[in-house]
Amino acid sequence: AQSVAQPEDQVNVAEGNPLTVKCTYSVSGNPYLFWYVQYPNRGLQFLLKYITGDNLVKGSYGFEAEFNKSQTSFHLKKPSALVSDSALYFCAVRDGIDNFNKFYFGSGTKLNVKP
Amino acid sequence: NAGVTQTPKFQVLKTGQSMTLQCAQDMNHNSMYWYRQDPGMGLRLIYYSASEGTTDKGEVPNGYNVSRLNKREFSLRLESAAPSQTSVYFCASSEVRGPYNSPLHFGNGTRLTVT
Repeated sequence: AQSVAQPEDQVNVAEGNPLTVKCTYSVSGNPYLFWYVQYPNRGLQFLLKYITGDNLVKGSYGFEAEFNKSQTSFHLKKPSALVSDSALYFCAVRDGIDNFNKFYFGSGTKLNVKP
Repeated sequence: NAGVTQTPKFQVLKTGQSMTLQCAQDMNHNSMYWYRQDPGMGLRLIYYSASEGTTDKGEVPNGYNVSRLNKREFSLRLESAAPSQTSVYFCASSEVRGPYNSPLHFGNGTRLTVT
């Protein structure tokens, strides 16, 4: 079965410092991995995805994610955090074999960036 | 370009009442989804529709019904609301072509409270 784990409920970082939001996955077949961001009272917005190719994926708003097959991880990173990055972040994996319509989400990580 | 539009934005129901959540997308996507978001549990798939005329159960379908009215519209119905259905409901759409798909595009959600 496909699943995603986000081990941290909350991540606190000072503005200007690098940030990492962790995600590990379990999937049959090739992993199709995604990161989404949710601002208060809004729907989720797509940040970036990994399908194949380079292990470092660049996305919106200066975010990037590192795919590590051996550790089954897909951590979200940003070199220099902004206060405006404070939001709820979700990792997701798409079913790779049985049903390409099914996406599985982690429980979310709240990112707090302090001035 | 409105993307994914959900109505209503807020709703309060009494136990046993029924209601329908409406969703429409203008991106000509073939797949549409209903998720519910609960604190600490991420997003859980209720139902999805891979194409006009088809619907399938997700992880938590009990107590819900759906209708894919046409390619644009996908509604979620609660026949007899229960307090356990208090949640934030998100509609999403995606273009799925074989193993490749666009990221999910989300509406802004419906906050439902059942008393």
